[in-house]
Amino acid sequence: QSVLTQPPSASGTPGQRVTISCSGGSSNIGSKTVNWYRQLPGTAPKLLIYNNIHRPSGVPDRFSGSKSGTSASLAISGLQSADEADYYCAAWDDGLNGPVFGGGTKVTVL
Amino acid sequence: QLQLQESGPGLVKPSETLSLTCSVSGDSISDTSYFWGWIRQPPGKGLEWIGNIYYSGNFYNSSLKSRVTMSVDTSKNQFSLKLTSMTAADTAVYFCARGMGPTRAYNWFDPWGQGTLVTVSS
Repeated sequence: QSVLTQPPSASGTPGQRVTISCSGGSSNIGSKTVNWYRQLPGTAPKLLIYNNIHRPSGVPDRFSGSKSGTSASLAISGLQSADEADYYCAAWDDGLNGPVFGGGTKVTVL
Repeated sequence: QLQLQESGPGLVKPSETLSLTCSVSGDSISDTSYFWGWIRQPPGKGLEWIGNIYYSGNFYNSSLKSRVTMSVDTSKNQFSLKLTSMTAADTAVYFCARGMGPTRAYNWFDPWGQGTLVTVSS
């Protein structure tokens, strides 16, 4: 059972917009910033969004993050087949005194 | 460009100690702008933070704290993980990563090593 809650799956057709939610509590998302990672099959996670909304160099602006209260969201616009991957949210947790991750959302392009 | 590479045994017997090393290339591990972390992923499951090494000290996941030791070898530009009393529940892909951010509670991991699968079995 992950501290942060994500839907196990999400899907869309090419070109569509897909949104992934991440729900937490006051000890993590509610008081800290959220990061998002993408994990392509058989590879290591890669940073996609940091500090709620910021994209590292090289990440296209099709990916956007937001946060409100104890929840955060990752939006993928202009969905592409290459976006098929597992997406994880993460945030510092004051109770754990370390980062916690969501259970991951598998995005499928139909 | 910074690269990280995990190395260690792929198979560990129950009750034994796991020792993994993360070799860092493309930057000095002594750069105090960053910290270094270990994260693991059981087969088919999500990510679990193991611990971080900061310039000021180490911080471990409380669920693993009694079994974890992390250290840095600046002469080899490496950092390492030791996890004692291994059980089948510790079977996972172990990732090392560089951590960065303005404070200890506002940070992220980038980049990650490719990961190494560790199986616990007799």
